[in-house]
Amino acid sequence: KAGVTQTPRYLIKTRGQQVTLSCSPISGHRSVSWYQQTPGQGLQFLFEYFSETQRNKGNFPGRFSGRQFSNSRSEMNVSTLELGDSALYLCASSLDAGEEQPQHFGDGTRLSIL
Amino acid sequence: DQQVKQNSPSLSVQEGRISILNCDYTNSMFDYFLWYKKYPAEGPTFLISISSIKDKNEDGRFTVFLNKSAKHLSLHIVPSQPGDSAVYFCAAINGNTGKLIFGQGTTLQVKP
Repeated sequence: KAGVTQTPRYLIKTRGQQVTLSCSPISGHRSVSWYQQTPGQGLQFLFEYFSETQRNKGNFPGRFSGRQFSNSRSEMNVSTLELGDSALYLCASSLDAGEEQPQHFGDGTRLSIL
Repeated sequence: DQQVKQNSPSLSVQEGRISILNCDYTNSMFDYFLWYKKYPAEGPTFLISISSIKDKNEDGRFTVFLNKSAKHLSLHIVPSQPGDSAVYFCAAINGNTGKLIFGQGTTLQVKP
């Protein structure tokens, strides 16, 4: 069974640009969450999608947005990039919303802002 | 406001000994707790979890202890192996919102 796939693995952008990251969940998983990992901050929750609807949202500015498609694939978009957006962006999927269904993570997209 | 805190950024342990990773939380609405392990260049992988109605859960070499009154949980690895060297993240789920909140992570190094 294929795991969570994130593309691209690495990305370099400049300030002011926008970026779209993609996540394909494990087949059959309907919940997709996005996290930002930076040194010293751990994994910070961005948002969660379930059945094409945003179910939860973290404390990030409106420049960070996402969506989920009918096949559960998800995209995350960051507009007007800032230097501080340089981070590892992780996507995780789970079957459903149940607490006892741990999330399965992709290997992340490393975004560097110059 | 860090609701889940891992106050030790790093831990070094000799192979065969016990590794104890600690995690504190502040939100009493957390009702499910998980530990994830992360190797460089890979995403975190689920290790073990515990519900707030329990105080201990064991899976092989890994045991998680939960002290609700102290809002503290710990992960014990016995015996520690060099392959356990990784970053360990503690995470908690808010029973009201369903949000999964992670700690900052603790880097464990197991020396041969």
